[in-house]
Amino acid sequence: SQQGEEDPQALSIQEGENATMNCSYKTSINNLQWYRQNSGRGLVHLILIRSNEREKHSGRLRVTLDTSKKSSSLLITASRAADTASYFCAPKHNDYKLSFGAGTTVTVRA
Amino acid sequence: DVKVTQSSRYLVKRTGEKVFLECVQDMDHENMFWYRQDPGLGLRLIYFSYDVKMKEKGDIPEGYSVSREKKERFSLILESASTNQTSMYLCATSGPSYNEQFFGPGTRLTVL
Repeated sequence: SQQGEEDPQALSIQEGENATMNCSYKTSINNLQWYRQNSGRGLVHLILIRSNEREKHSGRLRVTLDTSKKSSSLLITASRAADTASYFCAPKHNDYKLSFGAGTTVTVRA
Repeated sequence: DVKVTQSSRYLVKRTGEKVFLECVQDMDHENMFWYRQDPGLGLRLIYFSYDVKMKEKGDIPEGYSVSREKKERFSLILESASTNQTSMYLCATSGPSYNEQFFGPGTRLTVL
């Protein structure tokens, strides 16, 4: 399967703490994207990192990519209650498909 | 703002019924996708369309068909609904680079 696989499956943190989740994939990629899903609704695109990039930032989000290990990580700094959601990585291989994993469920406690 | 809308938020159908799920986008995107989402399995691609009347099978097309008669509208059809098609169905669109996908709010379908 070309699916991304997120780890851990679930994460519970205190408001203000950082949350880190990881993604592994099996075959070479063109880029890798992260999406967020709130309460069983549609997914929202967060950030895209290309295969020739190692790190990217967007607001409180930091994404890293290690193509030699076929892995990526998403760090959310200074978490807020509104960050409670499921997070999905989606490796994009050399076609039109995104290969979504099962996601990491993040709960931010007040 | 990209808007992707889906015809129903919740739908309950009986086994054997023909079911239509409709997706409409206002971004003039060529590419439209139908996924189903099940716990522990992530999103799985059912069908993809890259232009009007053009379609490609995704990873799990069995039991489904699609129709794209207009650029903005992409329909998913369950010819004879079965209980194992109970799921969340998500529509998405993307531009020509196939990068960022824009999702609709989803339709939670229950087949009894």
